[in-house]
Amino acid sequence: DVKVTQSSRYLVKRTGEKVFLECVQDMDHENMFWYRQDPGLGLRLIYFSYDVKMKEKGDIPEGYSVSREKKERFSLILESASTNQTSMYLCASRTGTWNTGELFFGEGSRLTVL
Amino acid sequence: GEDVEQSLFLSVREGDSSVINCTYTDSSSTYLYWYKQEPGAGLQLLTYIFSNMDMKQDQRLTVLLNKKDKHLSLRIADTQTGDSAIYFCAEAGGYQKVTFGIGTKLQVIP
Repeated sequence: DVKVTQSSRYLVKRTGEKVFLECVQDMDHENMFWYRQDPGLGLRLIYFSYDVKMKEKGDIPEGYSVSREKKERFSLILESASTNQTSMYLCASRTGTWNTGELFFGEGSRLTVL
Repeated sequence: GEDVEQSLFLSVREGDSSVINCTYTDSSSTYLYWYKQEPGAGLQLLTYIFSNMDMKQDQRLTVLLNKKDKHLSLRIADTQTGDSAIYFCAEAGGYQKVTFGIGTKLQVIP
């Protein structure tokens, strides 16, 4: 069974804290993605990576950075968390070099910033 | 930029058919997807259609694509309470970019 695992289902952090969200996939996929999901806004792409150490900005990268040191792992970093980053964060992965194929999603990480 | 629109909410009675509609703007879309999200879970691919197809059927699911009007629909036959979820329409246009709609919440009334 294909699997995308997000390390934390629920996190509560304080404003200004550094936050790491980890995502691991076991399908040897080249491409990995971080989305945030907010009611009434759907899913918005934060960053994606098409290879180790490669990354590209999505639609809303401000306030976030990412790290892809190994093919199976893609981390989302909030350098200084703010209350407007309270959201559900979804990691996904996909094989292929072009825009084809299924996106496999993790279960999500719900972050609350106080 | 690309945009995908869908209605927020749909309520149907158990056993009836559900039709969820979606419009998109990117005429270069290659794949169009329907994802399902159950409470507290990630998104799961339900079905997809290539942009050169008009229709795809998969058991209780029928996807219709009107490429001229950039309109996509998902029909669920004999809707069950287990079909209650949020359904996302998504389109794959530019390189690696998949754009999602805001999701339609389907409520199935027993």
